[in-house]
Amino acid sequence: GESVGLHLPTLSVQEGDNSIINCAYSNSASDYFIWYKQESGKGPQFIIDIRSNMDKRQGQRVTVLLNKTVKHLSLQIAATQPGDSAVYFCAENFGSEKLVFGKGTKLTVNP
Amino acid sequence: DSGVTQTPKHLITATGQRVTLRCSPRSGDLSVYWYQQSLDQGLQFLIQYYNGEERAKGNILERFSAQQFPDLHSELNLSSLELGDSALYFCASSLFLAGETGELFFGEGSRLTVL
Repeated sequence: GESVGLHLPTLSVQEGDNSIINCAYSNSASDYFIWYKQESGKGPQFIIDIRSNMDKRQGQRVTVLLNKTVKHLSLQIAATQPGDSAVYFCAENFGSEKLVFGKGTKLTVNP
Repeated sequence: DSGVTQTPKHLITATGQRVTLRCSPRSGDLSVYWYQQSLDQGLQFLIQYYNGEERAKGNILERFSAQQFPDLHSELNLSSLELGDSALYFCASSLFLAGETGELFFGEGSRLTVL
């Protein structure tokens, strides 16, 4: 079935700390994973993606880790800034034409 | 600015009514996706078009329909509206299909309130 979920609905961190947002997926056939950021009042925005033949991918201040053994995905944000406050969604694709999104984790960055 | 334009931004209507939401994709993008986002819910995939053809369907109700026109803009029609249809409806576009790239460009959404 289609099931992409988040371990925690909310996450609060101090400015400057590193943030880790987790995501579990249930479809072992999923081969492509994406993280999106949604700021208040806006549409989701692509952050980073990773394919199933990789374990790790780095972007600017963000790193996505994929553990296929336990079907777990995480997004790490280094030196979290107030502008990182948003809802973060993971999404998966398993060879279909659509992305299945999880429910999201709300990240709050405290000054 | 993602380049995806959605109209109207806000819409208030009554139960039983019919509304049309419009989406203009980024210039050159062939794929259009529709998602529904309810309060405290994630993004629920509704339907996807590629170059005018329906390519994938999600949990789209029979009361809902969509199409993509030759100029690639898309419309989502919601009929016999119920209170539970109140939500944010997002349109997204991409040049390629979702399996090739997950980088969808989302509009700012149309907020539908059904009273």
